[in-house]
Order: sequence, then C-alpha cells, then structure tokens
Amino acid sequence: AQSVAQPEDQVNVAEGNPLTVKCTYSVSGNPYLFWYVQYPNRGLQFLLKYITGDNLVKGSYGFEAEFNKSQTSFHLKKPSALVSDSALYFCAVRDASNTGKLIFGQGTTLQVKP
Amino acid sequence: DGGITQSPKYLFRKEGQNVTLSCEQNLNHDAMYWYRQDPGQGLRLIYYSQIVNDFQKGDIAEGYSVSREKKESFPLTVTSAQKNPTAFYLCASSTSGGQPQHFGDGTRLSIL
Repeated sequence: AQSVAQPEDQVNVAEGNPLTVKCTYSVSGNPYLFWYVQYPNRGLQFLLKYITGDNLVKGSYGFEAEFNKSQTSFHLKKPSALVSDSALYFCAVRDASNTGKLIFGQGTTLQVKP
Repeated sequence: DGGITQSPKYLFRKEGQNVTLSCEQNLNHDAMYWYRQDPGQGLRLIYYSQIVNDFQKGDIAEGYSVSREKKESFPLTVTSAQKNPTAFYLCASSTSGGQPQHFGDGTRLSIL
C-alpha cells in the first residue's frame, strides 16, 4: 500500500538552530515527493519537490530536502530556523496511478522559539 | 495574479441541509481536487477531476458530490448524508505530470 509517514507530531527548535522534519514513504515505482507548509486557517503552500536528479533539493524560504532511496526518506531541513517558520508541514507522495493524486502524511507542527 | 479562490471562507450548515462550497481557478489547470482536513489526520481526498465533465471518487466520497462543467470551476456539495461534515475543506489544482498542486485558502464548515 502507498503511504507517507511523518513520525513526529511536533518538532521544537530554537531560533538560529538547524531544523529537520522527518518523512518516510512507501510507493511503487519512482517516487514524486513534495513538501508543503500550512499557516493557520490558510491553504497549503508548496515548498519543494523531488522527481529525479540530485538527491538534495532546494526550495523556497531557505528550505531543502534530502532524498534517500535506500531509507525511503525525504527529510525537510533548514540550516537556521526562524520564528516565522513555525507552522504545520506536510510531506506528500504522488500516487502511482498517474492521476496526479497526492498521498499526504499527517503533518508535523514546527515550533521555533526565540 | 493566477490562483485558486475558495468561497465562502466560513460556512454553517443546519440539520438536513445541503451546502455547496465554491472553488474557482484561473491557472488553466486540467486537474482539480477536493480534500478534507481534520486535526491530526492530514488531508484526505474526497473527489478529483482530471478533465472537464469527468470526475472520480477519492478515499472519503460518501456524503459528498461534485460537478465539473467548466475547466475553471469544481464545486463541492456536502449533502445531508454526510453525518460529520465539520472540517476544513481545501481545493487544489494542477497540471499533468509531476507538477505540484496549488491550493486555495479553504472553507471552514461548521454545524449549527
């Protein structure tokens, strides 16, 4: 079965420290992977994607993600966290049926403290 | 600016009432999607449409209906058969291939 797991409900970091939000996936074939961010009462904003190529993907607002095929992981990272990064983060993988459907993880709340 | 517009932002439903959530996009995207978001459960797919006049059920379609008469519009009706409709509803659209989905700002539906 296809699935996405975000093992941490919440991640707490201090401003200026590096952050990691974890994601693992299970999908048949080559994965198309995405990270989105959601602020309260807003829709999801696209951060970055991996389809093919370099395993380190750079995205918006200084975020990057590392694709690891052997560990079936796609962790989101940022070298120096900002208080304004505090939000809900979703990892998603495209469904193998080629309909464009996305399968989402349950989300991880990132709390950055000053 | 191109984007997705969802309306209304807040909606209240009475017992036995059907309500319709609007979703309009001017991105010229072929595919459109409706998701339901509940706390701690991520996003669950209700319906999706890859082309005008065609749509398919997602994982939780019971109690919902949609139409896709125009490329730009994909309204969602929450029927009285949906016994637990209180949630945040998100509409999205995308082109084909590996392009990301673009999301509207959601409609929060509550029961009176």
